[in-house]
Amino acid sequence: GQNIDQPTEMTATEGAIVQINCTYQTSGFNGLFWYQQHAGEAPTFLSYNVLDGLEEKGRFSSFLSRSKGYSYLLLKELQMKDSASYLCAVMDSNYQLIWGAGTKLIIKP
Amino acid sequence: EAGVAQSPRYKIIEKRQSVAFWCNPISGHATLYWYQQILGQGPKLLIQFQNNGVVDDSQLPKDRFSAERLKGVDSTLKIQPAKLEDSAVYLCASSSVRTGRAGELFFGEGSRLTVL
Repeated sequence: GQNIDQPTEMTATEGAIVQINCTYQTSGFNGLFWYQQHAGEAPTFLSYNVLDGLEEKGRFSSFLSRSKGYSYLLLKELQMKDSASYLCAVMDSNYQLIWGAGTKLIIKP
Repeated sequence: EAGVAQSPRYKIIEKRQSVAFWCNPISGHATLYWYQQILGQGPKLLIQFQNNGVVDDSQLPKDRFSAERLKGVDSTLKIQPAKLEDSAVYLCASSSVRTGRAGELFFGEGSRLTVL
């Protein structure tokens, strides 16, 4: 079966750095996506990786290793507004999105 | 550019009643998705349309759920009769490309359903 694993919850301190990991087993691979979802709101797109390596976008970076079935989302200079759930999703060989359950990130002052 | 529009935002019904949700995607977006999201879980795909054709409805409980996208633009998701376990947020999303970054979805604000 297809599966995406990510930690249920993480806690970090304002101003610090946090890394949210995602491992996946899917039928084929056509890209990995990270979404941010604030409580009570809809998910919003953060990043996209299809080749191995690091993609940087401001305070957020996303890394992919296709051979290891592994990705991480790195958030730097954490702000209170970064408190949210972060969803990892993989597009399989049929171009269907497989979603993880999300990681709830709690930022403490 | 207007985003994905959904209505109603909130709905409370008794079990065995029916409910309908409406979605208008971003203009020009050919692909439209309906997801069900239960608190603390990732989105679960119910149905995916490409223009007005169904691409995937394998997880749609067809005995009670139905969806249509008649003119390839807006869409309606219906539940009849509702069960307690249908309490969830129903998210509509759209995307503009068939492959590659087709996973870059634009979501509406969602319709929160409570079944009593």
